[in-house]
Order: sequence, then structure tokens, then C-alpha cells
Amino acid sequence: EIVMTQSPATLSVSPGERATLSCRASQSVRTNLVWYQQKPGQAPRLLILGASTRATGISARFSGSGSGTEFTLTISSLQSEDFAVYYCQQYDNWPCSFGQGTKLEIK
Amino acid sequence: QVQLQESGPGLVKPSETLSLTCTVSGGSISPYYWTWIRQPPGKGLEWVAYISYSGNSNSNPSLESRVTISVDTSKNQISLKLSSVTAADTAVYYCARKTPTGALYFDLWGHGTLVTVSS
Repeated sequence: EIVMTQSPATLSVSPGERATLSCRASQSVRTNLVWYQQKPGQAPRLLILGASTRATGISARFSGSGSGTEFTLTISSLQSEDFAVYYCQQYDNWPCSFGQGTKLEIK
Repeated sequence: QVQLQESGPGLVKPSETLSLTCTVSGGSISPYYWTWIRQPPGKGLEWVAYISYSGNSNSNPSLESRVTISVDTSKNQISLKLSSVTAADTAVYYCARKTPTGALYFDLWGHGTLVTVSS
């Protein structure tokens, strides 16, 4: 199984600033990677698919990049509703696997 | 708008079988695949199993000897059974829809239900 490693575990950023979250795969997943956002008590929400394509209805403040083993989720000009936990997930290799998550908190 | 609602006992005894149901409302089960994903307290997500509206299924190799997944199209429900549970199976269990593209990621999730394994 491919191991997905996210860093940092917790990221403290001030509203209005930019946040950069990282996800690393233990072997290449090409661009078969998605990002989810999860707020407390809520279901995860699909943000990015194919490493860089925003899902339907997702703000342009969210952008994804990377391929192979290194991926980045960037959130520009953080809004209060963006503070949440973010997970990456690969679907290139069976079975699919998730990262442990990055908690984005208000600084 | 399609919504998913998980239901089932919140407490299961060790060695017994965990049974959960996901009810799909606001839309049809077909032609999609439906999955179960779990999240132990304070930990990350783990895909458990999926099933199509027609009954094609697959499960995580780490769990497949204990997993039974089924679909009832007449009730718009997907069910999960996990046998011989231990404390390690304590988790929030989510029902989710697999994207129609065929790739194994998930575009719609339920709110999840917490299952605790304890005597």
C-alpha cells in the first residue's frame, strides 16, 4: 500500500495570508491525487481532483499542484471558513490511501 | 440534492459483528458505486469497501476477511457488516459515493456515525 505523508501536522496562519500544505507519496501516483477539507463535526468535502483541478463549486482561492510523489495544496488569502483539517488521498494504486491530515488553525 | 445518512448501533462488544446502514435520499443508488470509509478517533481516514448498485464489490485487503457489503436498491440502502471486531475497529464510519469517473475517490459523503467497540 502506498503511504501518504502530510506535513506539517498543524499549520498556524493568520487570516488573509497564504497557506501551503504538503503531501508526499511513498511511490509515484502520477497525478492521481485528491484533496479533501473536513471541518469539525462535518463530512469531508472534495476540493481538488487530478492533483490540480478544482471540484465543482470550490473557490479559486484553492489550488493544487504536483505530480509523482510531491504535491501541494495552496490556499490564498485565508478566510475564517478555511480553517479545517485537510487530507490528501491517492487513487493511482490499489487500495487507495489517505494522508494523516494537516490541521490548519488560526494564528 | 443527494444526501447520505449512516445509522447503526453506537456500541458493539468485542468479537461481535458491527452492522451499519447508509440510506441515500434525494437521488437513486444507480448507477453509482458506494463506499464505506472509517476514521479512528484522532487518526486518518481508511477506505473499507465499495459496492455498485448492481452488487459488484471490493474491499480493503487489510479487512476483506471480515467485511460484508451489500446493497438494497428497493430501499436505496447500502449495508456494512464487520465481523470479529476489536477496539481497533472503533471509528467514525462514513458512507460516501465513489466518483462516476471510475477512479477511486469520493465526491459525496455522509456525516458519519461513531462506533465504539467496548465491553
